[in-house]
Amino acid sequence: GESVGLHLPTLSVQEGDNSIINCAYSNSASDYFIWYKQESGKGPQFIIDIRSNMDKRQGQRVTVLLNKTVKHLSLQIAATQPGDSAVYFCAETPNYGQNFVFGPGTRLSVLP
Amino acid sequence: EAQVTQNPRYLITVTGKKLTVTCSQNMNHEYMSWYRQDPGLGLRQIYYSMNVEVTDKGDVPEGYKVSRKEKRNFPLILESPSPNQTSLYFCASTQGVGTEAFFGQGTRLTVV
Repeated sequence: GESVGLHLPTLSVQEGDNSIINCAYSNSASDYFIWYKQESGKGPQFIIDIRSNMDKRQGQRVTVLLNKTVKHLSLQIAATQPGDSAVYFCAETPNYGQNFVFGPGTRLSVLP
Repeated sequence: EAQVTQNPRYLITVTGKKLTVTCSQNMNHEYMSWYRQDPGLGLRQIYYSMNVEVTDKGDVPEGYKVSRKEKRNFPLILESPSPNQTSLYFCASTQGVGTEAFFGQGTRLTVV
């Protein structure tokens, strides 16, 4: 598969446990955020998004938390499964625009 | 099936030989973007388009051109490729903030 990053932070979790992936952003003007999942050899896949007027948003097995005070975003995955193994990226944009800046990514490994 | 299609998937070319990577989406999306992905640097936005005939520079536009003559197509043009443009390229489309963004499968470009 394609290498998406040689020195990515790595998170290893046991199958069935919950995962928390963190992302710090720098632009205080950013008001829209997206989490993406990228499996080896594939393009990024949209997971969940959140606007700056929200602190929390839930999807199926995933929750995104936004702390604007410290410019921090997190992705929580409940009951992590082997299929969740991938690189996860956060992306931010100001003014609800389309000029996205991506974080460096975190590689999630799910242990059997 | 909703999809973003890039061509070619793999390309090896020589320095200075003009090339075009095509991108097409079948979802009638307003917004399209091009990214490059490099180890250690993550995904960086090259150009984006918010509608037909409307394009804007992303974070790394130097050495690239784009056009948006039709809503469905957003080709990436390298007029005079150089080795530092060797990278994995992704095209993406979305209907806008709050809607899912779709990525293509990627184009692995090598410039020798």
